[in-house]
Amino acid sequence: AQSVSQHNHHVILSEAASLELGCNYSYGGTVNLFWYVQYPGQHLQLLLKYFSGDPLVKGIKGFEAEFIKSKFSFNLRKPSVQWSDTAEYFCAVNHQAGTALIFGKGTTLSVSS
Amino acid sequence: DSGVTQTPKHLITATGQRVTLRCSPRSGDLSVYWYQQSLDQGLQFLIQYYNGEERAKGNILERFSAQQFPDLHSELNLSSLELGDSALYFCASSEGTSGPDEQFFGPGTRLTVL
Repeated sequence: AQSVSQHNHHVILSEAASLELGCNYSYGGTVNLFWYVQYPGQHLQLLLKYFSGDPLVKGIKGFEAEFIKSKFSFNLRKPSVQWSDTAEYFCAVNHQAGTALIFGKGTTLSVSS
Repeated sequence: DSGVTQTPKHLITATGQRVTLRCSPRSGDLSVYWYQQSLDQGLQFLIQYYNGEERAKGNILERFSAQQFPDLHSELNLSSLELGDSALYFCASSEGTSGPDEQFFGPGTRLTVL
């Protein structure tokens, strides 16, 4: 069965620090990869997605992620975080368009000003 | 605003009761997904409907059921509620086509079972 692992449960950073959140998935075939963000009290919003093509994907709010097929990884990065980035971040995967997402457990990011 | 609406926003009920959660997908989206978010299990897929038909089932209990109506809105019915059913229930919708598509999430319904 597919699974998604997010290595960091809680990350605490100061403003302007760089961010990298790890995500690994287990599935041998073609996958679609996503990062969602959930701000406190809000719904999930899509940060970025990878379907095919350039493995370096740029998303909203300055986030990017790199798909490394050989490592089954899709890590999320941001060069300089802001206080407003405080949220929970979820990595998700599906193996085919139009199918359910498998989510990681999430990483809580706390940014202090 | 994702365009996906869910009602009610909060629901408080007692064990043994039955509740119905409602979801309206984005205009034009044919697929509706239901997910449950709890502290211990994280975000888990429950069930998917596509254009009125059940398409896939995930970790959905037998006490739970869902349907999608001709106008494409969907309802999730939870019965014989237990304390452990307390969670945030999200609905998501997507075009559901064969090409790459993304899921848009609603604001969720927070269910508290006392």
